[in-house]
Amino acid sequence: DVKVTQSSRYLVKRTGEKVFLECVQDMDHENMFWYRQDPGLGLRLIYFSYDVKMKEKGDIPEGYSVSREKKERFSLILESASTNQTSMYLCASSPGGRRNTEAFFGQGTRLTVV
Amino acid sequence: GENVEQHPSTLSVQEGDSAVIKCTYSDSASNYFPWYKQELGKRPQLIIDIRSNVGEKKDQRIAVTLNKTAKHFSLHITETQPEDSAVYFCAASINGNNRLAFGKGNQVVVIP
Repeated sequence: DVKVTQSSRYLVKRTGEKVFLECVQDMDHENMFWYRQDPGLGLRLIYFSYDVKMKEKGDIPEGYSVSREKKERFSLILESASTNQTSMYLCASSPGGRRNTEAFFGQGTRLTVV
Repeated sequence: GENVEQHPSTLSVQEGDSAVIKCTYSDSASNYFPWYKQELGKRPQLIIDIRSNVGEKKDQRIAVTLNKTAKHFSLHITETQPEDSAVYFCAASINGNNRLAFGKGNQVVVIP
């Protein structure tokens, strides 16, 4: 059973703080993703990674960065948190290869920036 | 890039009736179309998916149909039950990589 685990369910941070959201998967998946979920906007891709130390921008990368030092871990970094980054953040992973397959999601981190 | 749209945004059905959610996509090269269900407070989970080499796939009360010519695919839920109440997301693969483009989601409410 695939498990994607996000380090926190709820976070409250102050404007200007540096924020780290951590995600770990235990199925040796090559691909990892960070999404942001807002009401009426669905799931929007922030960043993704196909391999260790590799990253690519998604649709809304501004204000975010990522780190993938180990295959199982993908971190999302808010360099200077702002109130418009208050949202639900979802991590996901999927196997690599050319054939598209199911993405498995973490339980989400609800971040509030005050 | 790929653009995925879902209709309607909210759907209310009586328990026992059928529910249909439609999605359209823009990239003719897309070849993988999953549907995710997200219950309140929980993570999205795959409920069914279809690849471009088939037109229909069924799993118990859930089915998905794909029309590649028209670039749309639909989720069909028969004999709806209260536990079917959730947000449903469709997605389409983005050609050349393992990314998915998601629709904005449909809120389905099953009225007992």
